[in-house]
Amino acid sequence: DQQVKQNSPSLSVQEGRISILNCDYTNSMFDYFLWYKKYPAEGPTFLISISSIKDKNEDGRFTVFLNKSAKHLSLHIVPSQPGDSAVYFCAASARGGADGLTFGKGTHLIIQP
Amino acid sequence: KAGVTQTPRYLIKTRGQQVTLSCSPISGHRSVSWYQQTPGQGLQFLFEYFSETQRNKGNFPGRFSGRQFSNSRSEMNVSTLELGDSALYLCASQAYLDTGELFFGEGSRLTVL
Repeated sequence: DQQVKQNSPSLSVQEGRISILNCDYTNSMFDYFLWYKKYPAEGPTFLISISSIKDKNEDGRFTVFLNKSAKHLSLHIVPSQPGDSAVYFCAASARGGADGLTFGKGTHLIIQP
Repeated sequence: KAGVTQTPRYLIKTRGQQVTLSCSPISGHRSVSWYQQTPGQGLQFLFEYFSETQRNKGNFPGRFSGRQFSNSRSEMNVSTLELGDSALYLCASQAYLDTGELFFGEGSRLTVL
């Protein structure tokens, strides 16, 4: 049973436009959410996080939105740059991050020049 | 500051054998987590160690075990290898507990024949 789902295996966006990556979760105990980015042959890199007490968190070009009622979160990248081409993983944890992370299967973002 | 170092990077084993993977966390990081990445299941949490004690454990059989040493270095062991254990094993460390902000190594690629 997949508790964190990323339904789009890949997404292609033009450089300069907005990239929106989506993630759904089913476990209502999750209260802490994160996004990781992964380049080939490298380990995942932490990008941004959000606690369930917030509905939005921004860090530069990256914004994460959380809709608890819909059990949905999204990552917005504005503007998209070629270096953003990577696989993005959504992750969730219960107990404020104390539990191990449950990851989605990832979305491969391709930024077209 | 050196990143998370995992050894070996690649290894090939046969069914029934056992394997030990090693992880050196970032200096000063006392928490080490292990994840298994496969194409079918994505990233799955194995276990987390802090101060030589297992804090959390994922849903894996007892063939998967780990330990942490007093210098925070960690090892994980898989006994009686099965074909399905072929995966990328990722180690991650974190500076502050319960943030979910993990620093991953490049992984150890295990192939079981």
